[in-house]
Amino acid sequence: DTGVSQDPRHKITKRGQNVTFRCDPISEHNRLYWYRQTLGQGPEFLTYFQNEAQLEKSRLLSDRFSAERPKGSFSTLEIQRTEQGDSAMYLCASSAGWLKIQYFGAGTRLSVL
Amino acid sequence: GQQLNQSPQSMFIQEGEDVSMNCTSSSIFNTWLWYKQDPGEGPVLLIALYKAGELTSNGRLTAQFGITRKDSFLNISASIPSDVGIYFCAGTRPYSGGSNYKLTFGKGTLLTVNP
Repeated sequence: DTGVSQDPRHKITKRGQNVTFRCDPISEHNRLYWYRQTLGQGPEFLTYFQNEAQLEKSRLLSDRFSAERPKGSFSTLEIQRTEQGDSAMYLCASSAGWLKIQYFGAGTRLSVL
Repeated sequence: GQQLNQSPQSMFIQEGEDVSMNCTSSSIFNTWLWYKQDPGEGPVLLIALYKAGELTSNGRLTAQFGITRKDSFLNISASIPSDVGIYFCAGTRPYSGGSNYKLTFGKGTLLTVNP
């Protein structure tokens, strides 16, 4: 399967702990995006990379959140000192070239207790 | 926050019926995408629209890019039980100092099909 892959699929953590999620985009897709989705809402943009450069960050991305894409391939999203409000589905997507079509992974469901 | 108004919020229909849903905005969009999401999964792309007035089909699905560039419509003909899910519209804005690649989503339309 050459789709967008996210790991883990589910993560349960205690408030105050740090968590890290991984996203492997479709091979050779130069753009990678992170979104957050809460129950009953559509996905909301967090940040995006063009190759290894992080080009935009949403105001939703507080200083407890950090994302990297060190070699322009996979990406990680880290949340430090998790809060209950961080509980959500974190989705990764990728796209190629100038195309605006984004292909999504299955997401990582985070539950903060 | 989100800028797309999607309606209806939910629909309950009988198998075989046609379905229409739409998405509107006060802002211009230069790309419209329609996705379907099943519980616990990521959105799956259904149709992509790139030009005002464009009408595109994908099997029983037809979508249109509104001529004002502020709306889009999705129609599903002859619905079947596997059409159940949440349908999202999403779009990209013209460049205005920020990214013209990030997607803005509607809140979704929950479709239930009664066999």
